[in-house]
Amino acid sequence: EPEVTQTPSHQVTQMGQEVILRCVPISNHLYFYWYRQILGQKVEFLVSFYNNEISEKSEIFDDQFSVERPDGSNFTLKIRSTKLEDSAMYFCASSARDRGRHEKLFFGSGTQLSVL
Amino acid sequence: AQSVTQPDIHITVSEGASLELRCNYSYGATPYLFWYVQSPGQGLQLLLKYFSGDTLVQGIKGFEAEFKRSQSSFNLRKPSVHWSDAAEYFCAVVFMNTGFQKLVFGTGTRLLVSP
Repeated sequence: EPEVTQTPSHQVTQMGQEVILRCVPISNHLYFYWYRQILGQKVEFLVSFYNNEISEKSEIFDDQFSVERPDGSNFTLKIRSTKLEDSAMYFCASSARDRGRHEKLFFGSGTQLSVL
Repeated sequence: AQSVTQPDIHITVSEGASLELRCNYSYGATPYLFWYVQSPGQGLQLLLKYFSGDTLVQGIKGFEAEFKRSQSSFNLRKPSVHWSDAAEYFCAVVFMNTGFQKLVFGTGTRLLVSP
């Protein structure tokens, strides 16, 4: 089965630093997403991205967050000035173009972000 | 309010025994329903999904789930659990009025399999 690849698997950073989490979605997919899971809590939707723009974002996704598809293969999540509460597992996901029905999301294995 | 509830945080099942993981949602209409599994160090893998039609859906790894509209439930079942099934299981829902791309997850149920 095709895979979504995320790098790095673990990222440790100092509070206030910028981090970029990288994802390589499945090659023919057009919809891209970031979710996160704070330890012991639910997996939460952050943002969805289609046609080079954000299609939907949650309340969590404030001005400190941004997403980008800098080339034809990568999809990145940037946190400009990390806070302690940004520590979480961040999951990237992608899906193929659908026809009005929710298409299967393929999730990566996640990047564990630790903010010290 | 729209929500997804998995009432069991942990469940321990003996290998070979049957399994049922509970999931309830609160919503005025029928959402799209999913079960995902997360093994340690792994991403989220889709087990099965329900959009419409037959309320009993079959998934991968021998799992099935039944949608019961009257109970707003979508419980996951497996007739005989294997040790490799030990993982965290998430029920997830797409509420139609919140955008078709946005999954709302339950808090998860950790399955432990005893010998």
